Amino acid sequence: QKEVEQDPGPLSVPEGAIVSLNCTYSNSAFQYFMWYRQYSRKGPELLMYTYSSGNKEDGRFTAQVDKSSKYISLFIRDSQPSDSATYLCAMRKGSGGSYIPTFGRGTSLIVHP
Amino acid sequence: DAGVTQSPTHLIKTRGQHVTLRCSPISGHKSVSWYQQVLGQGPQFIFQYYEKEERGRGNFPDRFSARQFPNYSSELNVNALLLGDSALYLCASSLDEGYTFGSGTRLTVV
Repeated sequence: QKEVEQDPGPLSVPEGAIVSLNCTYSNSAFQYFMWYRQYSRKGPELLMYTYSSGNKEDGRFTAQVDKSSKYISLFIRDSQPSDSATYLCAMRKGSGGSYIPTFGRGTSLIVHP
Repeated sequence: DAGVTQSPTHLIKTRGQHVTLRCSPISGHKSVSWYQQVLGQGPQFIFQYYEKEERGRGNFPDRFSARQFPNYSSELNVNALLLGDSALYLCASSLDEGYTFGSGTRLTVV
């Protein structure tokens, strides 16, 4: 079993829909959780960074962490065609430079007009 | 302020050859990490360097090596290339929060 599991999709939604992207993990030592967006043939771009359980909102994006269930989510409201990309979850045990994030395989999102 | 820069952007090599990939971190970032991303998969950790010292190594063969220079830039070297080394190689620099990635070097081994 991989430490971080993420459904690869693709997830296809109409413009304006609410999108829910999820990851599960097995290592209870993970404390810092990140979501990255990756456009085709580009490097990942950090979207959200959260510590421990709870919600964090940034514009149309909301990151949610449930450590008791080892489950994290990213919600995108009013989705746009420009949101079409691969979304990667990542997590690490600490905030120091020696803590290496572990990535999920990414979920491909397609928002069609 | 410049982001993480990687060179070259694309590279085609033949099996058995050697390749060197380069990365310049964001100004002020002392940590550089290298990842390999195969199509359809998430980034896999290869190396992390901090202040010119290796801080971590992923599960990659000894054909892969790296180093960090006094100006914090870094090189990733891969010897005896295999077809399976074809991938997007990503460099990331970091302080505490998250990693900032470069656009990567796409390596194709033929």
